[in-house]
Amino acid sequence: DTAVSQTPKYLVTQMGNDKSIKCEQNLGHDTMYWYKQDSKKFLKIMFSYNNKELIINETVPNRFSPKSPDKAHLNLHINSLELGDSAVYFCASSPTAGLTVQYFGAGTRLSVL
Amino acid sequence: AQSVTQLDSHVSVSEGTPVLLRCNYSSSYSPSLFWYVQHPNKGLQLLLKYTSAATLVKGINGFEAEFKKSETSFHLTKPSAHMSDAAEYFCVVSDYPGGYNKLIFGAGTRLAVHP
Repeated sequence: DTAVSQTPKYLVTQMGNDKSIKCEQNLGHDTMYWYKQDSKKFLKIMFSYNNKELIINETVPNRFSPKSPDKAHLNLHINSLELGDSAVYFCASSPTAGLTVQYFGAGTRLSVL
Repeated sequence: AQSVTQLDSHVSVSEGTPVLLRCNYSSSYSPSLFWYVQHPNKGLQLLLKYTSAATLVKGINGFEAEFKKSETSFHLTKPSAHMSDAAEYFCVVSDYPGGYNKLIFGAGTRLAVHP
């Protein structure tokens, strides 16, 4: 079983559309994250949830809205997609919100045309 | 603020020769440091971690890293490269403002392994 799974793996869409990426972890972890990897491979955290509560919110446009229905799921909804949103989005989870290892999903490659 | 600098964007080695990927860190407190690897079109896999225990850390696939506080370095090494080691490697430091951990990634080093 995949520990941290993301769907879809690839997402191609037009500018202005709204799309969602889903993430699920079966590790029993309390904390989940979204990271964005740009075209130069640079990775930056976007959000973190701990037990369904938002704890980290980096300076991300409010077109991005994370939602955590339970602690095993963290979804990312993006409104009014722009060309600059094209990237690989990684979900991760960790046992707690403290200094523990983070385990990453395989990524979702979003292409906005 | 926490940060890491990976000193080489690309490293090329021959199969069977040693690998050295360099990383310097900046930290206002005792750091937690990691190396992650990303194979082409794959997710991120943890290679090893340093969290203030032994300064020489052994990881998976024969990799190890040494924490040197005096040099603020955390270089990744492997005695003998294998073709399957070709990938992107990220040096990472933990930042935990307000007690919540977030990972700060270096820019990455692409390792090429030639026959």
